[in-house]
Amino acid sequence: DAGVTQSPTHLIKTRGQQVTLRCSPISGHKSVSWYQQVLGQGPQFIFQYYEKEERGRGNFPDRFSARQFPNYSSELNVNALLLGDSALYLCASSLVSYPNTGELFFGEGSRLTVL
Amino acid sequence: QKEVEQNSGPLSVPEGAIASLNCTYSDRGSQSFFWYRQYSGKSPELIMSIYSNGDKEDGRFTAQLNKASQYVSLLIRDSQPSDSATYLCAAATGANNLFFGTGTRLTVIP
Repeated sequence: DAGVTQSPTHLIKTRGQQVTLRCSPISGHKSVSWYQQVLGQGPQFIFQYYEKEERGRGNFPDRFSARQFPNYSSELNVNALLLGDSALYLCASSLVSYPNTGELFFGEGSRLTVL
Repeated sequence: QKEVEQNSGPLSVPEGAIASLNCTYSDRGSQSFFWYRQYSGKSPELIMSIYSNGDKEDGRFTAQLNKASQYVSLLIRDSQPSDSATYLCAAATGANNLFFGTGTRLTVIP
């Protein structure tokens, strides 16, 4: 069975550009969450989507947005990139229904470098 | 104030020894707790989940939860070099997200 898949795995952008990251959850999982992990730190919560609705948002600026599609895949968009946005962006899916958190299963991540 | 705090580490143990990893959390409303293992350059991998006070064992791993003390721990028995990784403690402090600690780097010395 396929796990959580993310694309692209690596990407390099320059300041001010925009980026879109994609995620497909484990089959049967309806909840998708996005986390940012800066080197040396634990993952930080950005968004959670369940049944195509935003169910939670972390302390990130409005430059960050996301959406979930009818097939439960998800996209994370970041506009006006800053150097500080350089990080590993992790997508996680969960079988447990909202509002419970449940066990999160992470994809391999998209490593974003902003120059 | 950090939601979840872990031993700063790094922690080094000899092969075959018990590795003890500790974590405290600040939100008394937290209900679910998780330990993730993260190898360098890889994504976090779920090792254990624990929801009620006491011990939970899975193979060489034992998670312990004490809600009164707001304390979670992970014991790794018979540590192997392949256990060398960063261990992340996480607590579900809201309805829909996890708060992670900064992680403890464990090195198992052959």
